[in-house]
Amino acid sequence: RKEVEQDPGPFNVPEGATVAFNCTYSNSASQSFFWYRQDCRKEPKLLMSVYSSGNEDGRFTAQLNRASQYISLLIRDSKLSDSATYLCVVRPENNRKLIWGLGTSLAVNP
Amino acid sequence: ETGVTQTPRHLVMGMTNKKSLKCEQHLGHNAMYWYKQSAKKPLELMFVYNFKEQTENNSVPSRFSPECPNSSHLFLHLHTLQPEDSALYLCASSSGRGDYGYTFGSGTRLTVV
Repeated sequence: RKEVEQDPGPFNVPEGATVAFNCTYSNSASQSFFWYRQDCRKEPKLLMSVYSSGNEDGRFTAQLNRASQYISLLIRDSKLSDSATYLCVVRPENNRKLIWGLGTSLAVNP
Repeated sequence: ETGVTQTPRHLVMGMTNKKSLKCEQHLGHNAMYWYKQSAKKPLELMFVYNFKEQTENNSVPSRFSPECPNSSHLFLHLHTLQPEDSALYLCASSSGRGDYGYTFGSGTRLTVV
């Protein structure tokens, strides 16, 4: 089992749709979780950290499910500008190295 | 300038060449990183520097040689590379160990011919 696993997609959705991505992780003791966004041929940028209680930033909601070992990202009212690859990142306990997922590709269509 | 600046943006080099990638951060961060991003692979951590001391070398071949003269500057010296080393090389910086996020440079797209 991969340490961090994401559905690569692509997810094709119309503008205004709600879309959700999941990311599973293998180390049950993992402590820190993040979602990054990477536009085509650009660098990754932090979208949001994921807290145990879940957190929301505008149209974006991130949640953590420790029992099932996954994090999720929900995007409401999708915009064309949301088209990108969304990277799931996990820091396993007692290991400083971040583990990066392959990313989920999202295309929002007019 | 602000953020993390990487140069050059693109680089084509022969297998016998020597070149260097440069990274500079203006964020006052203490940690700097080199990552490699290849097609269909997750980001691979290469090196970590904390207050200009190398704290991690992720089993990187010796043809990649990092240098960190101070907390704001990071170099990656390249020599006798192989075609499979062609990739996007990303520099990042963070405060602490990065739990508030990494800031990446725009990367150097390297092609080894």
